Amino acid sequence: DTAVSQTPKYLVTQMGNDKSIKCEQNLGHDTMYWYKQDSKKFLKIMFSYNNKELIINETVPNRFSPKSPDKAHLNLHINSLELGDSAVYFCASSRLGGSNTGELFFGEGSRLTVL
Amino acid sequence: TQLLEQSPQFLSIQEGENLTVYCNSSSVFSSLQWYRQEPGEGPVLLVTVVTGGEVKKLKRLTFQFGDARKDSSLHITAAQPGDTGLYLCAGDRGFQKLVFGTGTRLLVSP
Repeated sequence: DTAVSQTPKYLVTQMGNDKSIKCEQNLGHDTMYWYKQDSKKFLKIMFSYNNKELIINETVPNRFSPKSPDKAHLNLHINSLELGDSAVYFCASSRLGGSNTGELFFGEGSRLTVL
Repeated sequence: TQLLEQSPQFLSIQEGENLTVYCNSSSVFSSLQWYRQEPGEGPVLLVTVVTGGEVKKLKRLTFQFGDARKDSSLHITAAQPGDTGLYLCAGDRGFQKLVFGTGTRLLVSP
């Protein structure tokens, strides 16, 4: 039973399209995240949610809109896709809230290619 | 601004060799985590170090947190092909914000 699952695993689309990536965790964690990993393998946080509430919103274009319908789900919608959005997007969750981040449990990633 | 620099970026060694990966920053972190990521998968936590000067061992892997909690190292003894992967350090800035390092790609050949 996968702890953090995200779909789709691969996504190929044209510039200007809108796409969504979905994430679900069955670990009972309160905090969920979206990270972006670029071609150089650098992982950068985009958003974090704690109990459906937005906690971190890094300097991400407002074409990216996260949504957390409940604490087990965190989706990412991207409008007007650009070439530079091509990357692997990772969903993650953690148990701890407050001042300590704790261990992150990552999904397998969603590889987005914008043509 | 890159907060956590890892060195080396790439390392290709033979089975049985020893190696050390460094993770350096000018910032202080409340704790530091090390992850390993294999192709097509997400990073998986190896260890968390919390106290300055702390040393933790995980079989052939030894992790150390710098006294000032700004840097860390990972030493692997007698590397095996199964150790191949991308090693990432991550500094905890608190309140769910982990800052990841630039990564070290390790290839261990039989």
